[in-house]
Amino acid sequence: DIVMTQSPDSLAVSVGERATINCKSSQSVLYSSNSRNFLAWYQQKPGQPPKLLISWASTRESGVPDRFSGSGSGTDFTLTISSLQAEDVAVYYCQQYYTTPITFGQGTRLEIK
Amino acid sequence: EVQLVESGGGFVQPGGSLRLSCAASGFSFSSYWMDWVRQAPGKGLVWVARMNSDGSSTSYADSVKGRFTISRDNTKNTLFLQMNSLRAEDTAVYYCVRVNYCFEYWGQGTLVTVSS
Repeated sequence: DIVMTQSPDSLAVSVGERATINCKSSQSVLYSSNSRNFLAWYQQKPGQPPKLLISWASTRESGVPDRFSGSGSGTDFTLTISSLQAEDVAVYYCQQYYTTPITFGQGTRLEIK
Repeated sequence: EVQLVESGGGFVQPGGSLRLSCAASGFSFSSYWMDWVRQAPGKGLVWVARMNSDGSSTSYADSVKGRFTISRDNTKNTLFLQMNSLRAEDTAVYYCVRVNYCFEYWGQGTLVTVSS
């Protein structure tokens, strides 16, 4: 199984400041034939289901604010929120969909400082 | 608008069974792979099972293999999860998910509680 490890487990950032969450996979999720990374980021707010933010490591979903961005390739990935807003308080998960079993990181809890 | 509505959750004793349903609307259900994902209270997301678009292929997490069965009825736009031999560790909110490589749309979830 591909193990996904996020860091940090929790993070407190001031409104307007940058938040950075890292995700590392135990093996590459880059599919060589199409050069795509099978890596997604989800946001989960309390009492709600997860919401897809970013697919293919860096493709922002429609309607997702442009302060959210994803980067990385192979085994190391980053989710960046360029200017944190109060509504961004949530748990963030990375996920590999390269192969089954599909696996998620343990989650990073983002709070306002 | 894509909608996924789960039902069938509830309270069950260890060793018991439950059948979850997921009613899909707003898209061509028979064109998409569908998954189940669960989340124990206060914990992270865990993938459970997958079925391809025509129902000919399935895949399961090791933790549920042999106990859970995923199925679908494309004529009724419905996904199912038959859960047998339930254990306390199966207690979770179960989400139905539409797959387009990653998990595009999620239902609101249905809570399954396994306890004596």
